[in-house]
Amino acid sequence: KQEVTQIPAALSVPEGENLVLNCSFTDSAIYNLQWFRQDPGKGLTSLLLIQSSQREQTSGRLNASLDKSSGRSTLYIAASQPGDSATYLCSATGNQFYFGTGTSLTVIP
Amino acid sequence: GAGVSQSPRYKVAKRGQDVALRCDPISGHVSLFWYQQALGQGPEFLTYFQNEAQLDKSGLPSDRFFAERPEGSVSTLKIQRTQQEDSAVYLCASSSRLAGGRGETQYFGPGTRLLVL
Repeated sequence: KQEVTQIPAALSVPEGENLVLNCSFTDSAIYNLQWFRQDPGKGLTSLLLIQSSQREQTSGRLNASLDKSSGRSTLYIAASQPGDSATYLCSATGNQFYFGTGTSLTVIP
Repeated sequence: GAGVSQSPRYKVAKRGQDVALRCDPISGHVSLFWYQQALGQGPEFLTYFQNEAQLDKSGLPSDRFFAERPEGSVSTLKIQRTQQEDSAVYLCASSSRLAGGRGETQYFGPGTRLLVL
């Protein structure tokens, strides 16, 4: 069974700092790796999807990379803002759909 | 509609009661997914539909859980004889008509928060 791990579980940074969230997965036979954002009491919002044949995707201040061979993905957030505060989840999609437990990010003004 | 909607948003049930949770996916979306998210955890896959066909139900935790999507649009997740361990947020997601399934972004609803007393 695929296991998805996210480190750190929680992170608190001052506004303006660049940061990296990590996601690792045990089975490299995936179709894609997706990063989501979840605000309290809300559903998940897709941030970036990296197909298995791709190495990275970028959207605004966000950049996600994928290294299938090592079973790792990172989400880089540049110039963090208080509005970035949320829980960030990664999902590895293979024959089934697996999520990590998330990283809770707090950006302090 | 503009996005995936779910109802009710909150449900309190007494242990042993049956509940039904509804999901309205984005219009035209072929694929529909149900997940269970316990407090402080990531979503756990329950089941997946492509149109009206339930292609994967391996994540359903017991035979008390049943999902259907009879006309390939709205889906209902039913939990019979609810137990306290069923308390969680139940999330529904859909993905696009063109590719469906595993290669496309999933769009999530706000979830139904179920509390079993």
